[in-house]
Amino acid sequence: EPEVTQTPSHQVTQMGQEVILRCVPISNHLYFYWYRQILGQKVEFLVSFYNNEISEKSEIFDDQFSVERPDGSNFTLKIRSTKLEDSAMYFCASSPGTENYEQYFGPGTRLTVT
Amino acid sequence: AQSVAQPEDQVNVAEGNPLTVKCTYSVSGNPYLFWYVQYPNRGLQFLLKYITGDNLVKGSYGFEAEFNKSQTSFHLKKPSALVSDSALYFCAFTHNTDKLIFGTGTRLQVFP
Repeated sequence: EPEVTQTPSHQVTQMGQEVILRCVPISNHLYFYWYRQILGQKVEFLVSFYNNEISEKSEIFDDQFSVERPDGSNFTLKIRSTKLEDSAMYFCASSPGTENYEQYFGPGTRLTVT
Repeated sequence: AQSVAQPEDQVNVAEGNPLTVKCTYSVSGNPYLFWYVQYPNRGLQFLLKYITGDNLVKGSYGFEAEFNKSQTSFHLKKPSALVSDSALYFCAFTHNTDKLIFGTGTRLQVFP
């Protein structure tokens, strides 16, 4: 069964450093998402991406964040200058359609900012 | 603000007994409702969804959920719990957008 994959599984970085989180969505899916889950809190939407552009973003997704689909398979989330409060589990998801379609989530990348 | 609420942080049930994990929604119009499960150190796995039609929705691993418009609820149920069902369960919705809005999660603990 196809699945969403994410690398790395755990990333430790120092405050102020740039990080890139990588995701490989399911191959025939057209809609891509990033969510995050701060430890002990609920899963929060960050951004959705379709047809090579951002379709929606949350208040969390400020100028420090960017997304890219550099080739036909990868989908990346970049945090330009990490802060302590960016420490969280970041989940990538993909879907074949929009709002009434289920989203398939990857296993997550745990980002620790020290 | 539109939201879903999961009033119980934790639900404990004995193996073999029926289980219910509660979810209520506060959404104008007709939301699409979802249940996801998260096992330790794993991503979220889709269980089931309500889009339209039959109010009783059947999903993976023997789970089902009933959409109740008058009570604005979408409780997750299973007739006979397994120890392996122990996990974190999230109710979520979309409405006029494809971003999922999640509840706070309910930890289900099934005791042998």
